[in-house]
Amino acid sequence: AQTVTQSQPEMSVQEAETVTLSCTYDTSESNYYLFWYKQPPSRQMILVIRQEAYKQQNATENRFSVNFQKAAKSFSLKISDSQLGDTAMYFCASSGGTSYGKLTFGQGTILTVHP
Amino acid sequence: GAVVSQHPSRVICKSGTSVKIECRSLDFQATTMFWYRQFPKQSLMLMATSNEGSKATYEQGVEKDKFLINHASLTLSTLTVTSAHPEDSSFYICSAPLTRDEQFFGPGTRLTVL
Repeated sequence: AQTVTQSQPEMSVQEAETVTLSCTYDTSESNYYLFWYKQPPSRQMILVIRQEAYKQQNATENRFSVNFQKAAKSFSLKISDSQLGDTAMYFCASSGGTSYGKLTFGQGTILTVHP
Repeated sequence: GAVVSQHPSRVICKSGTSVKIECRSLDFQATTMFWYRQFPKQSLMLMATSNEGSKATYEQGVEKDKFLINHASLTLSTLTVTSAHPEDSSFYICSAPLTRDEQFFGPGTRLTVL
């Protein structure tokens, strides 16, 4: 079984500044994937970034990067140069084992970017 | 990227009626699809795994007779909410995996039961 925990229900940041969203997880799988998804008001799920557990190098996608600490089972998301369009709900998720594509989501963090 | 569609996007029905929601992978085949339920400002909760050619696998606590899932083809899965009641009102989202680390979500269906 997998569990994902996001302990920050809401976060806010000023435009152009940096914010970090926290996520911890637990899994018994030897290989697994971790994801951050963004859900804007439209409610369409958008992949922000993904990380394969076997890869030690932290994933980056433009202004988004992760700090993957495997031993601590931590997977935080850093958003640099925050933009108004980053305002959304962010979900951390994991998948693994034989049923790939089956995601376990954290509780979500509502991020508000202020002008 | 790949596209997953859902139909309808919104549906309002009377208590006691059944509602069918379709999930289609438009440009790839998906032997497995997933159905999630989301309440306002809450997380996505996996309801069931839809398997092409076999029965769906339901998560603990999900009534299989209430939420009927049929994976009719490699591109279509349907979720039927039978005898809907107001507590079934929610946002339903499907997803289809393309690879081990890539899955695509439908835009969701907002169900309101009066």
